[in-house]
Amino acid sequence: DTGVSQDPRHKITKRGQNVTFRCDPISEHNRLYWYRQTLGQGPEFLTYFQNEAQLEKSRLLSDRFSAERPKGSFSTLEIQRTEQGDSAMYLCASSLGGRQLSTDTQYFGPGTRLTVL
Amino acid sequence: GQSLEQPSEVTAVEGAIVQINCTYQTSGFYGLSWYQQHDGGAPTFLSYNGLDGLEETGRFSSFLSRSDSYGYLLLQELQMKDSASYFCVQAAGNKLTFGGGTRVLVKP
Repeated sequence: DTGVSQDPRHKITKRGQNVTFRCDPISEHNRLYWYRQTLGQGPEFLTYFQNEAQLEKSRLLSDRFSAERPKGSFSTLEIQRTEQGDSAMYLCASSLGGRQLSTDTQYFGPGTRLTVL
Repeated sequence: GQSLEQPSEVTAVEGAIVQINCTYQTSGFYGLSWYQQHDGGAPTFLSYNGLDGLEETGRFSSFLSRSDSYGYLLLQELQMKDSASYFCVQAAGNKLTFGGGTRVLVKP
């Protein structure tokens, strides 16, 4: 399977715990994105990497959230001291970046569903 | 700021035509994309408009008017499998913004 993969697919945690999600993009894709989606809403942009550089981070993202893409391949998203409001689907997408972000076709992974009790 | 407005829900019968409008308000606008998402699935790319006019891809077409800050997705010859949520997406600078989505329900 050469699509975007995410691990785990489901995560249940208690409030206050830390969680880490992994995303493996399509191998030749240089851009990687993280989104959060709650039921009935569109995906909310969290952050974006071009290769290993984190070029944009949403102002909505609190300091409890951090993302890395150390070698420009897979990426991790960590949430520290989870809160019930963090419960959502966390989506990863990748693209083969052109000159402008807007022209990219993003390929989404299946998502990680986080439930914070 | 950046925001996109699209209707929350549309219902139509098989074989019909549905138009989903999207208005945007942003500076540094580059273009408008459309994505489809079935319940429980991941969003998948449908179409992109960087210039004014109509882009046609099979039964789906997308239109952009920069002067009106407006675009639409046209679904023709609706099929049951088209029941899904449809999102308009804009890029401005290094940030991507999805609209709230339009849920399309196709009835027999």
